[in-house]
Amino acid sequence: GGIITQTPKFLIGQEGQKLTLKCQQNFNHDTMYWYRQDSGKGLRLIYYSITENDLQKGDLSEGYDASREKKSSFSLTVTSAQKNEMAVFLCASSISNYAEQFFGPGTRLTVL
Amino acid sequence: GDKVKQSPSALSLQEGTNSALRCNFSIAATTVQWFLQNPRGSLMNLFYLVPGTKENGRLKSAFDSKESYSTLHIRDAQLEDSGTYFCAAAHSNTNKVVFGTGTRLQVLP
Repeated sequence: GGIITQTPKFLIGQEGQKLTLKCQQNFNHDTMYWYRQDSGKGLRLIYYSITENDLQKGDLSEGYDASREKKSSFSLTVTSAQKNEMAVFLCASSISNYAEQFFGPGTRLTVL
Repeated sequence: GDKVKQSPSALSLQEGTNSALRCNFSIAATTVQWFLQNPRGSLMNLFYLVPGTKENGRLKSAFDSKESYSTLHIRDAQLEDSGTYFCAAAHSNTNKVVFGTGTRLQVLP
């Protein structure tokens, strides 16, 4: 088995601020993902990384950057936080691009 | 429009009863996953399916890629089954996973 950790658990920022969310996995999975979940809604893909050094845009990439620092870690940056961005950000990993995904506990973002 | 539609959007069940949730795709899907999101927001993996069926305890899931749908059957519902159920389909052309909008299930004592 393995685990996905996300830090921080709660993130409070000011409008316009640059904010970074971090994700680590010890599954030794190749592929990692960032999703955003607005309250009461489904998940939408922001960025994913098929292997180390790869970066692919999802459907919601505008306003975000991502970085796959090494195989086990994947960061997401909100380039300029907006009030309508308050959501839970979920990180996931899978052994390969089309395989079963496993999720971390999420980071809840609040923008003041 | 929604590429992955779940029905019903919300459901209340008496403890001990059975129910079926459905996921319809407007995309060609190669695999389907089902998750349960608990009230704290954690996503638990229930099933990962290629076309066919799987069973695990009181849960059973089927995926028909030709008819573009998947179902999740819950037998003898328990209070801990409450939460939001999501299906997610992998698009056959892009391999990107598309999530449905969820079914909110409440099991009543």
